[in-house]
Amino acid sequence: DTAVSQTPKYLVTQMGNDKSIKCEQNLGHDTMYWYKQDSKKFLKIMFSYNNKELIINETVPNRFSPKSPDKAHLNLHINSLELGDSAVYFCASSLLTGARGVQETQYFGPGTRLLVL
Amino acid sequence: ELKVEQNPLFLSMQEGKNYTIYCNYSTTSDRLYWYRQDPGKSLESLFVLLSNGAVKQEGRLMASLDTKARLSTLHITAAVHDLSATYFCVCSNTGNQFYFGTGTSLTVIP
Repeated sequence: DTAVSQTPKYLVTQMGNDKSIKCEQNLGHDTMYWYKQDSKKFLKIMFSYNNKELIINETVPNRFSPKSPDKAHLNLHINSLELGDSAVYFCASSLLTGARGVQETQYFGPGTRLLVL
Repeated sequence: ELKVEQNPLFLSMQEGKNYTIYCNYSTTSDRLYWYRQDPGKSLESLFVLLSNGAVKQEGRLMASLDTKARLSTLHITAAVHDLSATYFCVCSNTGNQFYFGTGTSLTVIP
C-alpha cells in the first residue's frame, strides 16, 4: 500500500563505485522527481519527469543519470561515486492538473541514505 | 527564479507556548505548501494554501497566506513535544517546479 517507495533505504559503498536507486509510485501521478537532501536538511531538486519526459534537469554532475521506463517509475543511476554524494535522496511524485498546468501536492518516498566511503 | 525564505531557521520553544514560523517568497506563487519532516523520516504534507487570505488549521497548527505580502505563516498553539520536527514552506507556480524554503527546525522542550 506504500504510495511512493524507494529501494534501497540504505546504501553504503566505496568511492568510484556505480550504484542505482529505484523509485516506484502507485498513486497514478504523472510527474516524478529526485531531490538531494544534505546534512543541513536543505532540499535540492535534481530531476523531474512528466509522462516519462525529462522536464527539469538542474545543475547536477553528469555522473547522475535518471531513467523513467514508465510513468510509475523513476530510477537514478550514479557513476563513479564521490564522497560529496553522501546524502539522503528522496523520490517524490505529483499530478499535473488544470488548464494552466499546476502541480498538485507532492508525495515523498522514505528516502535512500547514501554513504560513500 | 522564485526564492523562498523561512525564519527562524532554528526554534526552541517550551511546551505550552505559542510561536509563529514565517515564510516569504519572492515572486508570484500559485500554491503554497507546508510540509513536516520528522528526524530521519520522509516529508509529509500538512497544508496547501491556494488563495489570498486562505487559512487552514489542523490540531495545534494553523497556516495562513497573504499573497499581496508574499507571506505565509505557520502558527503553533500550546506546543507539545510531538510537534518537534523540521517544517518546510514550499511554493509552486505554473509548471513542474517546486521551490523549497530552508526549513525551520523546531524543538519543543518540557
